[in-house]
Amino acid sequence: GQNIDQPTEMTATEGAIVQINCTYQTSGFNGLFWYQQHAGEAPTFLSYNVLDGLEEKGRFSSFLSRSKGYSYLLLKELQMKDSASYLCAVRSGAGSYQLTFGKGTKLSVIP
Amino acid sequence: NAGVMQNPRHLVRRRGQEARLRCSPMKGHSHVYWYRQLPEEGLKFMVYLQKENIIDESGMPKERFSAEFPKEGPSILRIQQVVRGDSAAYFCASSPIQGTQETQYFGPGTRLLVL
Repeated sequence: GQNIDQPTEMTATEGAIVQINCTYQTSGFNGLFWYQQHAGEAPTFLSYNVLDGLEEKGRFSSFLSRSKGYSYLLLKELQMKDSASYLCAVRSGAGSYQLTFGKGTKLSVIP
Repeated sequence: NAGVMQNPRHLVRRRGQEARLRCSPMKGHSHVYWYRQLPEEGLKFMVYLQKENIIDESGMPKERFSAEFPKEGPSILRIQQVVRGDSAAYFCASSPIQGTQETQYFGPGTRLLVL
């Protein structure tokens, strides 16, 4: 089966750094994605990891360890607009490249 | 370059009616995916289509749900005889080709409410 776990909610202070963890157990692996979703809006692509290591993109970084089934999304210099849900998704590559999503982590940034 | 378009954004139906949700992929994209998001739940894959072909419908309920992506026009997700449990946000995503590096880009979703 497919199982993706991430914390339900997190709170962090404006200007700080926050790390959102994601663990997964899937049959097959062909990449891990992070999306940002503001309430009532479309998920927006943030990052993609298929090899172990850290991918950095501005204030956002994502890390992957395939042997541990683990990823994290790191957000630096938090801004109020970063308040959103962050979705971890795994592509199993089992024929159709469908994404399996976690339930999302709702991040609240406070002043 | 316009993003993925979905309409309507909000749809209200009474039990037993039909719901038709439309999705126009990004220009140049020929792969469409439909996902459903129930309240407090993650997005769940429903179906993957290419033009005139259903590639993977393993996430679709066996009854009342169907999807198509014709040669011309948008992809359609059709729900017949809707029930209250069908109330959810339905998201469409598209990608240019099927490849190991391809990202799926999501539309704004259609929020279906069944009364």
